[in-house]
Amino acid sequence: QQQVKQSPQSLIVQKGGISIINCAYENTAFDYFPWYQQFPGKGPALLIAIRPDVSEKKEGRFTISFNKSAKQFSLHIMDSQPGDSATYFCAATDSGSARQLTFGSGTQLTVLP
Amino acid sequence: NAGVTQTPKFQVLKTGQSMTLQCAQDMNHNSMYWYRQDPGMGLRLIYYSASEGTTDKGEVPNGYNVSRLNKREFSLRLESAAPSQTSVYFCASMIGGASYEQYFGPGTRLTVT
Repeated sequence: QQQVKQSPQSLIVQKGGISIINCAYENTAFDYFPWYQQFPGKGPALLIAIRPDVSEKKEGRFTISFNKSAKQFSLHIMDSQPGDSATYFCAATDSGSARQLTFGSGTQLTVLP
Repeated sequence: NAGVTQTPKFQVLKTGQSMTLQCAQDMNHNSMYWYRQDPGMGLRLIYYSASEGTTDKGEVPNGYNVSRLNKREFSLRLESAAPSQTSVYFCASMIGGASYEQYFGPGTRLTVT
C-alpha cells in the first residue's frame, strides 16, 4: 500500500522556469514532510522539510506548500538551473513510528540549459 | 567526519548465495535504517534500529536479517539471495530526539543472477 503518492514521474523544465512536484498522503498521523534530492550514484540528501502547523516553507529557490485539509504537499523550484537536475523524493513520517520514512515514488527532473 | 559509509559499493551474487552489507556511521546517531531502492518505487524500508540493541521490521523485511552490532554499525544479511533482491541498498542514520533528519550512505548496488 503506497501511502505517499508522487507526481509527475518525470519533468523537463527550461532553465529559469518553475519546477513543481506534487505529493499526496493518506495517513493523518504523519507530522513531518521532507523532500530529498538524489543525484545519480549518490544517496538521497535532505533538501527541505515542513511540519503541518505551517502552510509554506521557503529556503532559497525551494519552497514547500502544504495543504493539510487536502492531505497534499508540493515542492516548487524557482529559477530552475541545470544543476537542479536530479531525482526528487517526497516523504512523510510520524513521531510514533521510530521516524520511519514513507517515500513517494520519485520524480526525475531535467532542467535544460 | 565520514558520515554514513557502506561496503561494498557493488556486488554480484548467484541465486542462493549469501552476503552481508555493512553500514557504519560516525555521527553518534541513535537510529539506523536499511532501505532498498527500485525503479519507480522510491525507497522502501527493510529494517530499522531505533536504538542500540533493538531492531524492527519495516515494509519489506522478507529474505533479510539485520544486526545492530554496536551504536556505529548496522549490517544487513541476505541468507539466500534471489533475483528479486536485485536492487540498490541504502543505509541511513538519524540522531533522534527532536531531529527527524535521516542521513544516507552512498548505497550498494546488488545484482543477483
